[in-house]
Amino acid sequence: AQSVSQHNHHVILSEAASLELGCNYSYGGTVNLFWYVQYPGQHLQLLLKYFSGDPLVKGIKGFEAEFIKSKFSFNLRKPSVQWSDTAEYFCAVNRDSNYQLIWGAGTKLIIKP
Amino acid sequence: EAGVTQSPTHLIKTRGQQATLRCSPISGHTSVYWYQQALGLGLQFLLWYDEGEERNRGNFPPRFSGRQFPNYSSELNVNALELEDSALYLCASSHGQGAREPQHFGDGTRLSIL
Repeated sequence: AQSVSQHNHHVILSEAASLELGCNYSYGGTVNLFWYVQYPGQHLQLLLKYFSGDPLVKGIKGFEAEFIKSKFSFNLRKPSVQWSDTAEYFCAVNRDSNYQLIWGAGTKLIIKP
Repeated sequence: EAGVTQSPTHLIKTRGQQATLRCSPISGHTSVYWYQQALGLGLQFLLWYDEGEERNRGNFPPRFSGRQFPNYSSELNVNALELEDSALYLCASSHGQGAREPQHFGDGTRLSIL
């Protein structure tokens, strides 16, 4: 069965540290990849997405993600985190032939001021 | 633009009862998705409606059902509630059917089964 793995369930960083959150999926073939974020007290919202083309995609608030097809990975990065990045981050995958999104379990990120 | 709205915010039921959750999509969105988010787990896909039709359902028993109305709002019904149904139920909407359409989420309904 298709699955999405986010290996880090909790991450704690200090402000200005660099961030990388892992996301691996088990789909074969062409995939659509998404990162969503849920800030405290807010609803889930789209951070960035990748469908095709340049494997390095940029999203809102300085986030970027790199698609590495050979590793079935779509890791989320930010060079310097801020306290306001404290949130839960979810990776999700689907295919054009199957709209159903498969979600990772999420990573809770806490940024210490 | 008003976002996706869900009601009620919280719902407390006992085992064996029935629950109805409601969702209003963003204006102009025709697709509505329902997810279950149990504690510590990611989102589990429940149902997808588009243009009033059920397009896909996840691996949940038939006591989870729903419908979409002509104004594209949607209901999720859960019959014969079990303790394990306690979870946050999220509704999302998107503009059209494309797999690449980003989904816009509501705040969810917290269902607690006593």
